[in-house]
Amino acid sequence: GAVVSQHPSRVICKSGTSVKIECRSLDFQATTMFWYRQFPKKSLMLMATSNEGSKATYEQGVEKDKFLINHASLTLSTLTVTSAHPEDSSFYICSARSGNAGELFFGEGSRLTVL
Amino acid sequence: DQQVKQNSPSLSVQEGRISILNCDYTNSMFDYFLWYKKYPAEGPTFLISISSIKDKNEDGRFTVFLNKSAKHLSLHIVPSQPGDSAVYFCAASDLSGNTGKLIFGQGTTLQVKP
Repeated sequence: GAVVSQHPSRVICKSGTSVKIECRSLDFQATTMFWYRQFPKKSLMLMATSNEGSKATYEQGVEKDKFLINHASLTLSTLTVTSAHPEDSSFYICSARSGNAGELFFGEGSRLTVL
Repeated sequence: DQQVKQNSPSLSVQEGRISILNCDYTNSMFDYFLWYKKYPAEGPTFLISISSIKDKNEDGRFTVFLNKSAKHLSLHIVPSQPGDSAVYFCAASDLSGNTGKLIFGQGTTLQVKP
């Protein structure tokens, strides 16, 4: 069964609204979670690294005020897309690992459509 | 700068034949490599991995080969099955850096024809 769960799996929102996506580790405590975005016909792009209890580390070119990441507990990280625009429509995927040497587990992904 | 490259966007193979998916990387600090399989609208699932201290790792129908001098790895699937049709991503990590970050290639869409 899934060890990392994302919710919601699909969300449609109006331009200008904010959307929150949750990523939960189900069977382990995830000290580190990663958020990726997949553009059509392109690779998964790492957006940010989220460590429990500290600020997320964003990759170059990712707007931290646009994509708010919170890793408040060892089993939950959230990605909030603020003031969403149609160009934010994408497939967002999280992954989680326990410690630095643990296997990386991926969530099922969340498809965001901004109208 | 694309540190991990999959130069073939698509591959079509007949059922029962071998599928070979290729991946090149540029960063010599990468010491751990993984292959993921992804179906449409689903998250990637882990397939197989290889450490830089090895040159081959086999798991059932899947074998990954690593050529460090050429900075090249490949995934062999034999025999290929229609259910293997998916997008395959290779990924690389610098585990010694302890960041856990994976750098993904662009993906190769594999179609296995019955």
